[in-house]
Amino acid sequence: ILNVEQSPQSLHVQEGDSTNFTCSFPSSNFYALHWYRWETAKSPEALFVMTLNGDEKKKGRISATLNTKEGYSYLYIKGSQPEDSATYLCAWGDAGNMLTFGGGTRLMVKP
Amino acid sequence: DAGVIQSPRHEVTEMGQEVTLRCKPISGHNSLFWYRQTMMRGLELLIYFNNNVPIDDSGMPEDRFSAKMPNASFSTLKIQPSEPRDSAVYFCASRGQYNRVETQYFGPGTRLLVL
Repeated sequence: ILNVEQSPQSLHVQEGDSTNFTCSFPSSNFYALHWYRWETAKSPEALFVMTLNGDEKKKGRISATLNTKEGYSYLYIKGSQPEDSATYLCAWGDAGNMLTFGGGTRLMVKP
Repeated sequence: DAGVIQSPRHEVTEMGQEVTLRCKPISGHNSLFWYRQTMMRGLELLIYFNNNVPIDDSGMPEDRFSAKMPNASFSTLKIQPSEPRDSAVYFCASRGQYNRVETQYFGPGTRLLVL
């Protein structure tokens, strides 16, 4: 059974704060690490897909890094805004694109 | 593209009734996945299809659940008979390219409540 873990489970920050959270995953047989953003009452939306050790991806104020050798990825949000409030899911993907999801980090940004 | 389409968006039914959830994947995507989301278990894979063929249904909870994909543009997930513990949000996803790497695109989900 694959173990994909995310921490913290939830996070409350003030508008303007920068924040980061972690996804840890098995480093053996690594193929791809996916990050999704999931707003309440909507569907998960792909943010990043990373495949190479040392990969860094950026989308606006959100960025992610990948360390496949030690089995972790960080997601950073710079200057959090209320609209960033969502659950951020990471998923370990195998070569067949079967995804094993972590439990998510629920971010709440207070205005 | 309209994205992955699911229907109905909400379903309320009584225990023992048959429930059919529908999904239309993104055109050109060859793989389709059914997930269930609950508070206790998070997002869990039920079954997935590749080129309309079921590949792995090990996540299907029990015989009351069945899924079909008669063609590349349509899939159903059926629960018969339904039970209150089946209440959850059911997502369908199809696989396609995202920045030249494949990922899954999720539909809006069907929120099922079995009374």
